[in-house]
Amino acid sequence: DTEVTQTPKHLVMGMTNKKSLKCEQHMGHRAMYWYKQKAKKPPELMFVYSYEKLSINESVPSRFSPECPNSSLLNLHLHALQPEDSALYLCASSQDNTSGGYEQYFGPGTRLTVT
Amino acid sequence: GQSLEQPSEVTAVEGAIVQMNCTYQTSGFYGLSWYQQHDGGAPTFLSYNALDGLEETGRFSSFLSRSDSYGYLLLQELQMKDSASYFCAVRNTDKLIFGTGTRLQVFP
Repeated sequence: DTEVTQTPKHLVMGMTNKKSLKCEQHMGHRAMYWYKQKAKKPPELMFVYSYEKLSINESVPSRFSPECPNSSLLNLHLHALQPEDSALYLCASSQDNTSGGYEQYFGPGTRLTVT
Repeated sequence: GQSLEQPSEVTAVEGAIVQMNCTYQTSGFYGLSWYQQHDGGAPTFLSYNALDGLEETGRFSSFLSRSDSYGYLLLQELQMKDSASYFCAVRNTDKLIFGTGTRLQVFP
């Protein structure tokens, strides 16, 4: 199974809402990532979890809160977002983060619209 | 600063060969990856070069010159399904830094 799944596929939320994005992989990967991607732009790294511990936070605003409940699951909790946060949110995983992360498996993404 | 530059768009016809370049300036470098992303889809891994030279995987080849901070992805026998965005990405210690991306359009 080389699949990364993400739910929901689409999400529309108001600026006062709280919602969560979910990501799951069953490849035994020990590194998981959240990226944000705007139209016609490259993926932009937000967070990296390595062995279930947060190892990189790319100075992401606190209205985004990641969580890694176990080695297969990754969540992104959203609160008080701004319209400019509307984007495609991609989850990815790789075998680990020390030797590479050069080969990452991406989920299909959640297309988020903040109204 | 860190920068990975790619041409914004490339067009070609079916059956042709196309080369997409990537030049980088990063504070650390462990290797260069290439990803393909179709419109509305997720990026998928294509290839990785840690050392200088050419890596071939079917119709796709990737080249790296560390001394020139330069790499390219070569696609042969182009097919319509190859129309997509292609991103180079530098592996930098513990993360990938993605290039600006090249949009490839293949015409019949």
